[in-house]
Formats: sequence, structure tokens, C-alpha cells
Amino acid sequence: TQLLEQSPQFLSIQEGENLTVYCNSSSVFSSLQWYRQEPGEGPVLLVTVVTGGEVKKLKRLTFQFGDARKDSSLHITAAQPGDTGLYLCAGARNRDDKIIFGKGTRLHILP
Amino acid sequence: GAGVSQSPSNKVTEKGKDVELRCDPISGHTALYWYRQSLGQGLEFLIYFQGNSAPDKSGLPSDRFSAERTGGSVSTLTIQRTQQEDSAVYLCASSVGTVNEQFFGPGTRLTVL
Repeated sequence: TQLLEQSPQFLSIQEGENLTVYCNSSSVFSSLQWYRQEPGEGPVLLVTVVTGGEVKKLKRLTFQFGDARKDSSLHITAAQPGDTGLYLCAGARNRDDKIIFGKGTRLHILP
Repeated sequence: GAGVSQSPSNKVTEKGKDVELRCDPISGHTALYWYRQSLGQGLEFLIYFQGNSAPDKSGLPSDRFSAERTGGSVSTLTIQRTQQEDSAVYLCASSVGTVNEQFFGPGTRLTVL
């Protein structure tokens, strides 16, 4: 059973379009993180959300943590080819639990 | 400052041989994770060390896999009697605490012929 379900698994869109990817669970998480991984490298943290309903912005990326802390979304405005990569959500259900990862959304932005 | 380093960066071995993969975490980080990533896939959790607590080995796929962390710092992942399905990138990450940002190494690409 996958605790963190990410959707879609794959997404290929044209440069300039907007997109949203999702990270869902039936469990409550104390915090959720989003990472981006580029080919040949390890994942790099983009953001951590800890409060239900929290919204964080990172340039063209907007992250939201669901009110019930069971889900999160990542919205990208005016996607650029540099946004291409594997987007992973990760979370800890309790403060002392290990972090678990979803399987990721593989995003490809076409120039 | 230095990030997480892993060695070797690439390892090619023959089926049935043992391999050791090394991870040097960021100094002072108490948590250390090992993951496996097959081509085009997400991260598969293998093992987790947190301070002096017993490691969480729940992700190890078989008893051919083992890991240790000496002195709360360097970690070694050992795969005995390697199989072709063990071919993957093995990633190590460390963090200050359990729920903090994970800093990943560049990974070791293992190819079993």
C-alpha cells in the first residue's frame, strides 16, 4: 500500500502552460515536503509545509497543504523547460516517524 | 561546506559478487537514509538510521542486503551475491532530524552483469 499517491505519474505539456500535480493520502501527515530531481542527480528540497491550509510560493511554483493535512498540490504557472524533472512529495505522519516518499510525477516541458 | 558524498559513483559487478556502497553524510546530521531508484522510477526506501536508535530495516528487499553506520557518521550498504535485479541507483540522504530536509548524495549507479 502506497501511503502517498502522486498524480499524474507522467505529464508532458507545452512551455507557457499551467499545471497542477497532486499528492494524496488517507493518512494525516505532520508535514509534507516537495522535492525535484533532475537526471543524474539526487532530489533537492523545494518546500516544506506543516500547517493545514498553508500556501507557499516559490517564484512560479505554488504549494498548498490541505486543510486536513492529508494532501498537497503543486501548481506551476507558465511552465518552462527548466521545470522538467521528477517531482516527489514526502511526508512524516508523526514527528518521530521516518519520512516516506511518493512515487513521483515525471514532468516534461516541451519548448 | 561539504554535502553528502557517495562512493563509488559507478559500480559494475558480476552476478554473485558482493558489493559495498559508501555514504558520507553531512557532519552533525543524525538521520541517514538509503534509497534505491530504478530507471525512471521513484524512490524505494531501504533503511533508516536515527541517532543511536536501532535502524529501521523494514525496506530491505532481502537478507542479501545489510547496512551499518559506524560512529553515527559514515554508512555502508552491502549487497551480497548480487543479482541482475539489484541494478539501480542507490541514493543516500542525511538530515538534521527525523522530519527535516533531506540532503541527498549524487548516488551510486550499480550495474550487475
